[in-house]
Amino acid sequence: NAGVTQTPKFQVLKTGQSMTLQCAQDMNHEYMSWYRQDPGMGLRLIHYSVGAGITDQGEVPNGYNVSRSTTEDFPLRLLSAAPSQTSVYFCASSYRDSSLRAPYEQYFGPGTRLTVT
Amino acid sequence: GENVEQHPSTLSVQEGDSAVIKCTYSDSASNYFPWYKQELGKGPQLIIDIRSNVGEKKDQRIAVTLNKTAKHFSLHITETQPEDSAVYFCAASNTPGTASKLTFGTGTRLQVTL
Repeated sequence: NAGVTQTPKFQVLKTGQSMTLQCAQDMNHEYMSWYRQDPGMGLRLIHYSVGAGITDQGEVPNGYNVSRSTTEDFPLRLLSAAPSQTSVYFCASSYRDSSLRAPYEQYFGPGTRLTVT
Repeated sequence: GENVEQHPSTLSVQEGDSAVIKCTYSDSASNYFPWYKQELGKGPQLIIDIRSNVGEKKDQRIAVTLNKTAKHFSLHITETQPEDSAVYFCAASNTPGTASKLTFGTGTRLQVTL
């Protein structure tokens, strides 16, 4: 298994440009999430999905859109990039056993470092 | 919402010594507390986790303790080695059955010196 993959690894955008950060997992995980990591602030949840066709907002959703058309893919779209979106973005996925009624380990991708000038 | 505080922000220990990182959380409904290790240029990787029905869990040199009354949990690393040097994050989740909504602490940079 490749696990969680993210592309691109690095990206530089100008203010106002749009782009999509790609995330894919091959573990058949139901849950997928996007986090951003900024110095001194840990990881903050942007959006998450509990299954194909279902998405919801996290702590810092403004300026980002997501969709989940398949179990494997969970792209993150920046509609109009702003310097405040300069960050490292991590995608994560996890499995859930409904009988256990408890969370399972989140597997993180290698990250995308985004700079908006 | 949930708020997780983590201390210290940096920690330097000599090889062979123990390291302790502490976190507090605000939501008494939180029931899952993972710890992640992040090496430079990589994504976080789970090293140990604990659920609210357990007070302590150990895995070789790593242990985690949970005090639900005080809303406090800690990571203990014994016999530290240079490869333990990394940034460690605690997290909490208050959504039963849903791993996606983790609230992270701000991280502790651990440096193990020879």
